[in-house]
Parts: sequence; structure tokens; C-alpha cells
Amino acid sequence: SQTIHQWPATLVQPVGSPLSLECTVEGTSNPNLYWYRQAAGRGLQLLFYSVGIGQISSEVPQNLSASRPQDRQFILSSKKLLLSDSGFYLCAWSFGQGNEQYFGPGTRLTVT
Amino acid sequence: SQQGEEDPQALSIQEGENATMNCSYKTSINNLQWYRQNSGRGLVHLILIRSNEREKHSGRLRVTLDTSKKSSSLLITASRAADTASYFCAPQTGSARQLTFGSGTQLTVLP
Repeated sequence: SQTIHQWPATLVQPVGSPLSLECTVEGTSNPNLYWYRQAAGRGLQLLFYSVGIGQISSEVPQNLSASRPQDRQFILSSKKLLLSDSGFYLCAWSFGQGNEQYFGPGTRLTVT
Repeated sequence: SQQGEEDPQALSIQEGENATMNCSYKTSINNLQWYRQNSGRGLVHLILIRSNEREKHSGRLRVTLDTSKKSSSLLITASRAADTASYFCAPQTGSARQLTFGSGTQLTVLP
């Protein structure tokens, strides 16, 4: 069966510091991968998606970037965090397109 | 945007009662998915209903889709306290089938 991992679970970082969040999927190959952010009490906002290694699409302009160095690894990064980057970051995967998306446990980021 | 909008924003019912949550969206979709989120946790996938389907069941869950009205509903029958959570609908569109989420319905089931 497939599982999706995210780490760390929680993170407190000062403004201006770099960020690296990692997501890995097990038990499947060539998944579609997604990064979402959820602000407190709100729905999820799609940040990036990837349909293959090295293929990244960005949905909204922001202070963040994403990379997919391996088939089942998706990384969310920032060179300098802003206060507004605080939130709950969720990674998801799906089999190809038009199918269910399955979410990881999330990383709660607080920028101080 | 194409995000789903859930209604009501909050719903409080007694254990054993049925809970109905509605979702509206704006343009054509490929499918629509419903998710549950317990406080501070990740999202759990509940049901996917495709644009050519009108109704789908999974255990105590029943989802309907009316593409002419651009709306969907999620019915939870015989609710339990463990059903307390936020529920989100997510229309799926776009070349990579991106999901767009609304703010959700906060369901509270009282024991």
C-alpha cells in the first residue's frame, strides 16, 4: 500500500531564515505531487504541483519554491521566510490525473 | 476562482441524527472530492464523484452531484461523536487536476 510522509511535523523559524520541508511517497511510482498551504480556519490553497521529476508548476506568486529531485520526493523551500509564510503545509499525491488525492500528516510552520 | 464553497459554515447536531453539507462551485469540473479534517490534522479522503455520476455511497456517507446546478451534497447518516470534524469539498479541474478548497463546514456531533 502507499504511504506519504512529511517532516518535520512542527517547525518554528525566525523571519529571514531558510526553509526546507520534505515529502516522500512510498509504494507507488511516478505519482503526481502537490504542496498546499492552509491558513488558520481556512481551506487549502494549492502552491505547487508536479507531474514528474524536475517538472514543477506554481499556482500563486510567493516567497516559496518547490523541487522534485527524485520520483517520490517533493521539497518545499524558501531562502528567507516571511511572517506571512506561517501556516499548515500539506503534501499530497495522486495516481495520474483525475483521481483521488491523498494527503500527508502536514507540517505546522510558525514564523516568528 | 473554481474553489468549492461549503454551506453551512458550521453545523451542530445530536448523535444519531443525519448531517447534510452542501457545496457549490462555478465552472465545469472533472470530478469533485470530499475530505474530512480533524482539528490540526491532515485531510482524510472520503469520496470522489466524477462529473458523469449523480450519486455515490460509501458506508454511512452519501454524496450527490448536480452538474446543471454546479452543486454537491454530503450526507452523513446516523452521525457519531467521532464524525466531529471539518468537511471540505474540492472541485477538480485543470491540466494536472488541481483541487481547490473552500473554507469547509465545521460539524459538531454532540453525544
